[in-house]
Parts: sequence; C-alpha cells; structure tokens
Amino acid sequence: NAGVTQTPKFQVLKTGQSMTLQCAQDMNHEYMSWYRQDPGMGLRLIHYSVGAGITDQGEVPNGYNVSRSTTEDFPLRLLSAAPSQTSVYFCASRRKDSSYEQYFGPGTRLTVT
Amino acid sequence: SQELEQSPQSLIVQEGKNLTINCTSSKTLYGLYWYKQKYGEGLIFLMMLQKGGEEKSHEKITAKLDEKKQQSSLHITASQPSHAGIYLCGAVPPGSNYKLTFGKGTLLTVNP
Repeated sequence: NAGVTQTPKFQVLKTGQSMTLQCAQDMNHEYMSWYRQDPGMGLRLIHYSVGAGITDQGEVPNGYNVSRSTTEDFPLRLLSAAPSQTSVYFCASRRKDSSYEQYFGPGTRLTVT
Repeated sequence: SQELEQSPQSLIVQEGKNLTINCTSSKTLYGLYWYKQKYGEGLIFLMMLQKGGEEKSHEKITAKLDEKKQQSSLHITASQPSHAGIYLCGAVPPGSNYKLTFGKGTLLTVNP
C-alpha cells in the first residue's frame, strides 16, 4: 500500500490564483480530512469527509472547497489564493471507527505571494 | 469545543536524560493520540489511549491517560537525538466519531 499520497509537495501561487491540492489513499478508509499547519497554531481542521459524497466543514473552512466523489480521493481546492493561506497542508485518512490510527500524507508546502 | 493544551511548548534536553510532555484537555477525552513530526515531514503515529489509567509503551516512549481522562503524559526515557521533533497530541471530541483536534505541539531538541 502507498498509504496517503499528496501532490504537489511544493507550490507557489500568486494572490488570486486557484489550484487544487490532491490527496489519495489506497486503504479503503471511510474518513478523510484536510489540515493546515502554521507556526504556533498547531494543526487545524479545514474540511473532512466521512464517505464518498459526504463532506463537512472543520475549524477553518473559509477559502477552501472539497468534494469526495470516490472513497480514494479527496481534493482540496483553493478558489482565490490569499497570502493568509500560506501554510503546510496535510491530508489524513482512517477507518470510520475512531479507535483506529489516523494516517497522514507527507504534506504540501504552499506559498502565496 | 474541545481544546488541547500541551506543555511545555518547547524542550531542550541533553542526550540520555528523561523527559515528560503533557497534554491537558478542557473536556473528557474519548481517545487520545500521540504523533511525532520531524521538521518538514508528515506525522508519524506513536500510540493511542482510550481507557482511563491506560498506559502504552513503544521502545523508550511511554504514554499514559489519567483516570479522569482529561490529561495524558508522554515520557521518554534516556533520550536520543533521534527523538528530536515535534510531538502532537490529538483527541476525538465528545459527540464526534470523526473530527480529530490537535494541541499546538511540543518541540523537542536533544543535544548530543
């Protein structure tokens, strides 16, 4: 198993540009989520999904869209990038039961100028 | 909402020394995860605790959940440079089987 994969690893955007961060998992996990990590702020939940076709907002959803058309994929879209979205983004997945480990991807480092 | 406070925020120890990192919750914990992150990398799962008083060990790292399930401690015995990194605690809030919230992390430096 490849686990949780994310692309790209690094990205530089200009203010106002849009882009999609890709996330895929091959473990047939129901639950997938996106976090952003900023210095001094820890990990903050952006959006999450409990299954294909079901998504919900986390702690900091503004400026981001998600969709879950398949169990495997959970892309994160930045509609109009802002410098405040400069961060490291992590995708994670696990089984629906919270007693199971949550697996994280390697992260995408995004800079918005 | 549930908040997790980690202490200390950062820690510098000499190789071979023992250390403890704490994670305190504003609400009862229904599952407490410990992760380690090396700079610029993803998070590595260390262990998960669910029952009050539960204690788990992995190599030289031991984590415990107190009886009241509002605090967890992570103890490293005879620290090594390989233990350096950011340690994060995460928890499932009451009433949610899905969302995992995290503390802000503890940065550990181990000097050889």
